[in-house]
Amino acid sequence: EPEVTQTPSHQVTQMGQEVILRCVPISNHLYFYWYRQILGQKVEFLVSFYNNEISEKSEIFDDQFSVERPDGSNFTLKIRSTKLEDSAMYFCASRASSHEQYFGPGTRLTVT
Amino acid sequence: AQSVAQPEDQVNVAEGNPLTVKCTYSVSGNPYLFWYVQYPNRGLQFLLKYITGDNLVKGSYGFEAEFNKSQTSFHLKKPSALVSDSALYFCAVRDMGNAGNMLTFGGGTRLMVKP
Repeated sequence: EPEVTQTPSHQVTQMGQEVILRCVPISNHLYFYWYRQILGQKVEFLVSFYNNEISEKSEIFDDQFSVERPDGSNFTLKIRSTKLEDSAMYFCASRASSHEQYFGPGTRLTVT
Repeated sequence: AQSVAQPEDQVNVAEGNPLTVKCTYSVSGNPYLFWYVQYPNRGLQFLLKYITGDNLVKGSYGFEAEFNKSQTSFHLKKPSALVSDSALYFCAVRDMGNAGNMLTFGGGTRLMVKP
């Protein structure tokens, strides 16, 4: 069964550094998402992406964040200058024309 | 704005007994409702959804959920719990009118099934 994959599984970075989290969505899916989950808190929506542009973003997704689909398979989330409060589990998700989103295993980002 | 409440942080049930995990939602329009399960060190796995039609929807692993519009609820149920059902369960909602399709999640309920 096709799955969403994410790399790396764990990323440790210093405050102020740039990080890029990578995702490979399911191959025939057209809608892509990033969510995050701070330890012990809810899963929160960050951004949705369709037809090579952002279709919706939350208040969390400020100018420090960007997304890109650089080729036909990868979907990336970049944080330009990480802060301590960016430490969280980041989930990528994708969906086809049906309504359910399929999630990857997540990348745990630790900012020190 | 859309929101989801899962009033129980944890539900304990004995193996073989029925289980219910509660979820209530709030949306301005009509809801699309979902349940996801998360096992340790894994992502969120889709269990089932309500889009339209029959209020009782069936999903993976013997789970089902009942949509109740008047009570704005979408409780997850299973007639006979297994120890392997022990995991973290998330309810999520999307407003049908939401073009970006963002999901709003509840805080999660930890299900513990004891042998």
